[in-house]
Amino acid sequence: AQSVSQHNHHVILSEAASLELGCNYSYGGTVNLFWYVQYPGQHLQLLLKYFSGDPLVKGIKGFEAEFIKSKFSFNLRKPSVQWSDTAEYFCAVNSGYSTLTFGKGTMLLVSP
Amino acid sequence: EPEVTQTPSHQVTQMGQEVILRCVPISNHLYFYWYRQILGQKVEFLVSFYNNEISEKSEIFDDQFSVERPDGSNFTLKIRSTKLEDSAMYFCASSLGMESPLHFGNGTRLTVT
Repeated sequence: AQSVSQHNHHVILSEAASLELGCNYSYGGTVNLFWYVQYPGQHLQLLLKYFSGDPLVKGIKGFEAEFIKSKFSFNLRKPSVQWSDTAEYFCAVNSGYSTLTFGKGTMLLVSP
Repeated sequence: EPEVTQTPSHQVTQMGQEVILRCVPISNHLYFYWYRQILGQKVEFLVSFYNNEISEKSEIFDDQFSVERPDGSNFTLKIRSTKLEDSAMYFCASSLGMESPLHFGNGTRLTVT
């Protein structure tokens, strides 16, 4: 069975700081990888996804993620965070025809 | 941009009561899902639905749960006899294809007292 680990449950940063949220998955086969974001009071939204091709994926709002197959990782990065990036971030994975498996989420708080 | 809509946003019910959570998926999507998130825990898969039948369900989705697409637009989750541990945020999602990204609704917060 596939599983997803997000190591940081809470991250606090100041505006303009760089961000990296860790995500590791366990599954030996081909995977599709996703990052979803949930802003306060809003629904889960897709931030970016990786299916195949270039392992460096760019998403909305300046976010990017890098798939490193050898490390089973798909870390989310942003060079300079803003107060409006305060949200909960979820890494998710599916493989073949399986449904999405989510990590526990990382709560990011950006102080102005 | 089309959205998945869920109603109500918050439902309070007494233990043992039946509850129906409603969802309107994006109109041209073919796959529908229910997930839930118990406070402080991860988002958990409940069930997927395609071509008017359940395509996959998790261990959580026992006989107390059922899903239905009563017409061309709604997708409902019914819990027959709610338990305290059913208190959670329930998310509906839809996707165009099996491996397409899921689009989530805002969720319904279910509180069982």
